[in-house]
Amino acid sequence: DTGVSQNPRHKITKRGQNVTFRCDPISEHNRLYWYRQTLGQGPEFLTYFQNEAQLEKSRLLSDRFSAERPKGSFSTLEIQRTEQGDSAMYLCASSLPLGRRNTEAFFGQGTRLTVV
Amino acid sequence: DQQVKQNSPSLSVQEGRISILNCDYTNSMFDYFLWYKKYPAEGPTFLISISSIKDKNEDGRFTVFLNKSAKHLSLHIVPSQPGDSAVYFCAASGRSGGGADGLTFGKGTHLIIQP
Repeated sequence: DTGVSQNPRHKITKRGQNVTFRCDPISEHNRLYWYRQTLGQGPEFLTYFQNEAQLEKSRLLSDRFSAERPKGSFSTLEIQRTEQGDSAMYLCASSLPLGRRNTEAFFGQGTRLTVV
Repeated sequence: DQQVKQNSPSLSVQEGRISILNCDYTNSMFDYFLWYKKYPAEGPTFLISISSIKDKNEDGRFTVFLNKSAKHLSLHIVPSQPGDSAVYFCAASGRSGGGADGLTFGKGTHLIIQP
């Protein structure tokens, strides 16, 4: 299967701990996005990369959050000093660029984070 | 403030009939619209999209209509099938959307197809 892959699928952590999630995009996609989804809401944009460059960050991305895509392939999202409000599904998506217009983004299955 | 609104949290339709899911947006900078389908414990799956230069796009049983003046789009599924039961998200993209090229999503509509 050559879809978007996210690991782990589930993560339970104690408040105050750091967590890191990984996303492997579709190989020929140079754009990679992170979204967060909480219960009853649609996915909310966090940040996106074009190749290894992080081009935009949402104001939702507090300074406890950091994302990297060091070689323009896989990406990691780290949350430091987790809080209960960080509990959510973290979704990764990738896409091809189409000029300056977004083409359809393909999503991974997500990582469900529970902070206890 | 929600820029993409799906005002019906749920919709129940009989198998074989037409399902119509609605979406409204407020940001006139949006120029590309997408529908995603999501099953529980899975990520959203792309369904169909439409550019703002069109008013209709059709793909098999799925048709998306865009009314720019009303800032409204709808997804029609006909005939509806049991496998269509899922949460449907409307999403929009544009320079003032979720990031320069990110998507702004609505809250979703849970479609239930009854036999």
